[in-house]
Amino acid sequence: GENVEQHPSTLSVQEGDSAVIKCTYSDSASNYFPWYKQELGKRPQLIIDIRSNVGEKKDQRIAVTLNKTAKHFSLHITETQPEDSAVYFCAALDTGRRALTFGSGTRLQVQP
Amino acid sequence: DVKVTQSSRYLVKRTGEKVFLECVQDMDHENMFWYRQDPGLGLRLIYFSYDVKMKEKGDIPEGYSVSREKKERFSLILESASTNQTSMYLCASSDFTHEQYFGPGTRLTVT
Repeated sequence: GENVEQHPSTLSVQEGDSAVIKCTYSDSASNYFPWYKQELGKRPQLIIDIRSNVGEKKDQRIAVTLNKTAKHFSLHITETQPEDSAVYFCAALDTGRRALTFGSGTRLQVQP
Repeated sequence: DVKVTQSSRYLVKRTGEKVFLECVQDMDHENMFWYRQDPGLGLRLIYFSYDVKMKEKGDIPEGYSVSREKKERFSLILESASTNQTSMYLCASSDFTHEQYFGPGTRLTVT
């Protein structure tokens, strides 16, 4: 089955700086990689995803990159703001059972 | 907007009780999932279902069962609750795109 590793577990940045969270996966056939943001006391919300036919996707201050050869993908947040503070989860599709496998999460703290 | 709802936000049960957690989605999604969320462990898949009457074991199915009698409803059952099942339980649904939408979660405490 799929195994997803996520680093770092915690990340503290100054407002305006960039933040990068990295994930690796094991299933070479995996073709869907979403990122979720979970604010305190709330449900995880999909913020961006990428499919294996592209190497990068951007949405305003958020971007995701995918390296299929190395089996890793990353979330990049530029010009961070205090409201970006949350736990972020990466995930990869386990193609065998058509279900997502999640990383262990990164707690991002943006200091004003 | 996809709406996924769960029957309770907070639940307190005693050891040995039978516990039902219900999840309903209103987007006609084929796939439904149950996760538990514990600090530092991320979201771990308990059970999932591709269709009515179908169920598949996830990574941590021990001590749990599920029921999917209708397409929109997916129930998680703890046959005999134990203290190590104290956790946040999250339901999710998706269609063929695999984009998952989560419910608000149920924080279960077993005493």
